[in-house]
Parts: sequence; structure tokens; C-alpha cells
Amino acid sequence: AQTVTQSQPEMSVQEAETVTLSCTYDTSESDYYLFWYKQPPSRQMILVIRQEAYKQQNATENRFSVNFQKAAKSFSLKISDSQLGDAAMYFCAYRSAGRDDKIIFGKGTRLHILP
Amino acid sequence: NAGVTQTPKFRVLKTGQSMTLLCAQDMNHEYMYWYRQDPGMGLRLIHYSVGEGTTAKGEVPDGYNVSRLKKQNFLLGLESAAPSQTSVYFCAARQGMPNQPQHFGDGTRLSIL
Repeated sequence: AQTVTQSQPEMSVQEAETVTLSCTYDTSESDYYLFWYKQPPSRQMILVIRQEAYKQQNATENRFSVNFQKAAKSFSLKISDSQLGDAAMYFCAYRSAGRDDKIIFGKGTRLHILP
Repeated sequence: NAGVTQTPKFRVLKTGQSMTLLCAQDMNHEYMYWYRQDPGMGLRLIHYSVGEGTTAKGEVPDGYNVSRLKKQNFLLGLESAAPSQTSVYFCAARQGMPNQPQHFGDGTRLSIL
């Protein structure tokens, strides 16, 4: 069974600095999708970025980028120029590309932004 | 643009009572999901549906039932609520293409006394 591990329960970063959240996963599949979701205090789940396993190029969305290392089964999220609005819980998620549509979430990393 | 709407947003039940959570989506998405979120546990999949009239078990299905009689609605039922079912429940929907992300509702906070 697939698992997703976020080893950092909490992190803090100074405003305007860069922070990297780590995520590792375990799977025997070769084709899959990875996602980072943000959950601010409002409780909404907001998609931050996604990566398709067959693409070698790392995904980027404005200040958010990933470092996808398929062989190492690592999918870290880098947030550049951190802003107060980035404070939230961040979840890494894995989804198989096969018929089994189950999505596995990590337990989350709470990110604090220090002014 | 409503997206995914969950009803109700808050509810308090007594042990043994039953209730149904409603999830409605206006995006014509094929796939719908119910999750529960507990402190320190992330989101865990309860049940999901890959289309109208179909449902499947997720990671933690015990104590819950679901129905998808209409494409736009996905109902989560608790027949006999237990304190262990106190949680925040999220519904999500997504398009059929596998690379598409899920769109989440705002959650329902359910307390079982």
C-alpha cells in the first residue's frame, strides 16, 4: 500500500525568506500524481501545485515550486519570498494513475510565518 | 461559482443518533469523495464514487454509508453516531482526467456527545 510521509509537523520561516517542506512517499507504481494542498485557518483545502510522475521537469506556480526526485520518492515544496498569507497547514498527497482512485494524504506540516 | 457545497457546516449529535451529510457539486465532475480530518491524522478517505450510482470503500469506511443517486450529489450517512466519529468531514469532487486535482468543500464540523 502507498504511504505518504511528512516528517516536519511544524516549521517556521521569516517573512520574505525561503522555506522547503519535505514529503516522501512509498509506492511500487511507476505512474502517479503528486499534489500539495494548503489549508489556512479558514479550513479550506486549496491546491498549491501538482506534479505528474512521468514529467521530469519540476512544476512551478509563481512563488511555489517542487523538487521532484522520482528515484528517491521525494516531493518537496519550496516557497520563495514567504508571505504572511502563506501561514497554513500544508498537505502532500499521492494518487495512483491506475483505476484505483484512492488518494493518500500525508499528516501535514504547519507553517508559521514570522513577521 | 459555488463549486462544492457541504450541508450542514456544523452539527452536534448525541450518541446513537443518525444523520446525513450532503455534498453538492455544480461542476459536472464524475468523481466525488468523502474524507474525515482528525488532529495529527491528515485526511483519510471514507468512501468515494467514480460516477452516478457507484460507490466504493476508502481507508476508513466502517460506521458510514454513502449514496450517489444523482451525479451532482454525494450523501454520507451515519446510522448510529459514535463519539469516535467526531471529526471534520470534507467532500471533494474532480473531473475524470487522472491528472486533475480535487476541489474541496468547506467542511462540516461534527461533534458526537
